[in-house]
Amino acid sequence: AAGVIQSPRHLIKEKRETATLKCYPIPRHDTVYWYQQGPGQDPQFLISFYEKMQSDKGSIPDRFSAQQFSDYHSELNMSSLELGDSALYFCASSPFPLIGRSNTGELFFGEGSRLTVL
Amino acid sequence: AQRVTQPEKLLSVFKGAPVELKCNYSYSGSPELFWYVQYSRQRLQLLLRHISRESIKGFTADLNKGETSFHLKKPFAQEEDSAMYYCALSGTSGSRLTFGEGTQLTVNP
Repeated sequence: AAGVIQSPRHLIKEKRETATLKCYPIPRHDTVYWYQQGPGQDPQFLISFYEKMQSDKGSIPDRFSAQQFSDYHSELNMSSLELGDSALYFCASSPFPLIGRSNTGELFFGEGSRLTVL
Repeated sequence: AQRVTQPEKLLSVFKGAPVELKCNYSYSGSPELFWYVQYSRQRLQLLLRHISRESIKGFTADLNKGETSFHLKKPFAQEEDSAMYYCALSGTSGSRLTFGEGTQLTVNP
């Protein structure tokens, strides 16, 4: 079965450069989530989209932006990269948002994009 | 605010021994609790959720609202259970999953 696809899998950038990560959700999943996981840390929620609109926002820096496109894929844009941005960035999708639903909750994760900022 | 705490970063047991991975949470409303697992070189995936009251791969977890806990248990650990386990919470008022710090379980032969 098709899973969440993230690209690139690995990315190396210099400080102050920009980076774009892409996420292709499972077909017919209309909700996308972005998480950041630093070394030895738990995944931290950044932002989510439902039907191409931002549905929730977490600890996403102002230097980062994201959007969901008409084909439901999502892109995370990171500018003015800092050393501390080095992390594994996970994308996840679900067939409907978790808001107000008591019988959902499963997020399907991609394998992650590892960003290294030098 | 919602918070998940997993007090043990590392847990090591022998094959056949019982295992319990602890998880405590704080949330003002009625939460939904999950356990996610990440095997070596694989993606993060759902193991079980409290509303399903199911047993997956021999693992069970009971939500204890009085103690605000959702510990994961298995009576007889297997080597293939070695993985990183994350407890996660979803509040009914929001869409995000909040993860705990994770527990790396190692089952020794």
